Amino acid sequence: EIVMTQSPATLSVSPGERATLSCRASQSVSSNLAWYQQKPGQAPRLLIYGASTRATGIPARFSGSGSGTEFTLTISSLQSEDFAVYYCQQYNNWPQLTFGGGTKVEIK
Amino acid sequence: EVQLVESGGGLIQPGGSLRLSCAASGFTVSSNYMSWVRQAPGKGLEWVSVIYSGGSTYYADSVKGRFTISRDNSKNTLYLQMNSLRAEDTAVYYCAGPSSWFLYWGQGTLVTVSS
Repeated sequence: EIVMTQSPATLSVSPGERATLSCRASQSVSSNLAWYQQKPGQAPRLLIYGASTRATGIPARFSGSGSGTEFTLTISSLQSEDFAVYYCQQYNNWPQLTFGGGTKVEIK
Repeated sequence: EVQLVESGGGLIQPGGSLRLSCAASGFTVSSNYMSWVRQAPGKGLEWVSVIYSGGSTYYADSVKGRFTISRDNSKNTLYLQMNSLRAEDTAVYYCAGPSSWFLYWGQGTLVTVSS
């Protein structure tokens, strides 16, 4: 099983600031990585797939980068609606998909 | 517009069985890879099972031999039959698709396994 490790567990950021979230895979997943946003009481929402391709309707302030074992989700200027939990997910080892433990982005 | 609507969750005793359903609209279940993903209270996401468009099925080790994924093409509905339920199966269960990454999600249905 490929283990996905996200850091930090909690990120405190002020509105308007930049947020950088990390995701590390225990072995290479190439660019087969997705990012999701989840707000309390809601289903996750796809942000990024293919490590760097934004899903339809996702604002340009969200960007993904990386390949192999190291990945980053950057939110360039945090808006109030961006405070949520973010998960990475590898799909290289299909069909055994795995998610990271999540990073909570909270208001500083 | 794509909609996935889960149902069938509830309170069940350990060792019991439950069948979850996921009714799709605006989207053809049989033409896509459909998964079940669960989330224990206050925890992260865990992939549970997938059914390919060709009908092949796969399971996480934690549920293998106890859960069965299936679909009814005439009803455009995905199912998860859960047997021998354990306390650690307590979670919100989401159906999701259409591929190995998940653009579409249902709203989730809560399964609570407790005596």
